[in-house]
Amino acid sequence: KQEVTQIPAALSVPEGENLVLNCSFTDSAIYNLQWFRQDPGKGLTSLLLIQSSQREQTSGRLNASLDKSSGRSTLYIAASQPGDSATYLCAARRRNDYKLSFGAGTTVTVRA
Amino acid sequence: DAGVIQSPRHEVTEMGQEVTLRCKPISGHDYLFWYRQTMMRGLELLIYFNNNVPIDDSGMPEDRFSAKMPNASFSTLKIQPSEPRDSAVYFCASSQSRQLDNSPLHFGNGTRLTVT
Repeated sequence: KQEVTQIPAALSVPEGENLVLNCSFTDSAIYNLQWFRQDPGKGLTSLLLIQSSQREQTSGRLNASLDKSSGRSTLYIAASQPGDSATYLCAARRRNDYKLSFGAGTTVTVRA
Repeated sequence: DAGVIQSPRHEVTEMGQEVTLRCKPISGHDYLFWYRQTMMRGLELLIYFNNNVPIDDSGMPEDRFSAKMPNASFSTLKIQPSEPRDSAVYFCASSQSRQLDNSPLHFGNGTRLTVT
């Protein structure tokens, strides 16, 4: 069974600092890995999706890397802003089906 | 696109009552997922459908839970009878298999269920 872990559970940084969020997974036979953002009282919004054949994906200030051999993915958010405050979840999709295994998330607070 | 639409947004009911949660996926999406989110257990996949057919319901906690997808634009998750431990946020999500290599999951805003 795929286990996905996110450490730390919470993070508080001053505005302008770069954010580094970690995600680890136990089964390296993944199809892809996705990063989501969740605002309070809302659903999840997909931020980045990295296919198993890729090493990283970038979108604006966000960059996500994937190292299957070590079972790790990292989400970098450059020059953080108060609007980046949210919970960030990673999810690994298994091969051959559409199941996603989610981490518990990292709650980020960016202080103005 | 309106996104994934769930109703109701909030549901408060008494133990023993039947609860029906509704979901309209994004048009053209052929996969539909029901998730449950709690503080203790995080996000759990309950069941998912492909082309209206249930593919995997191994996450459905008990026989009290059932899900249907009568057509491509509508799905329901029913709990009968409801219990306090069913209190959670229930999310519906959809995806499109034709974008197989780049098929992010699109979530609705969820239904917050409280069973007293």
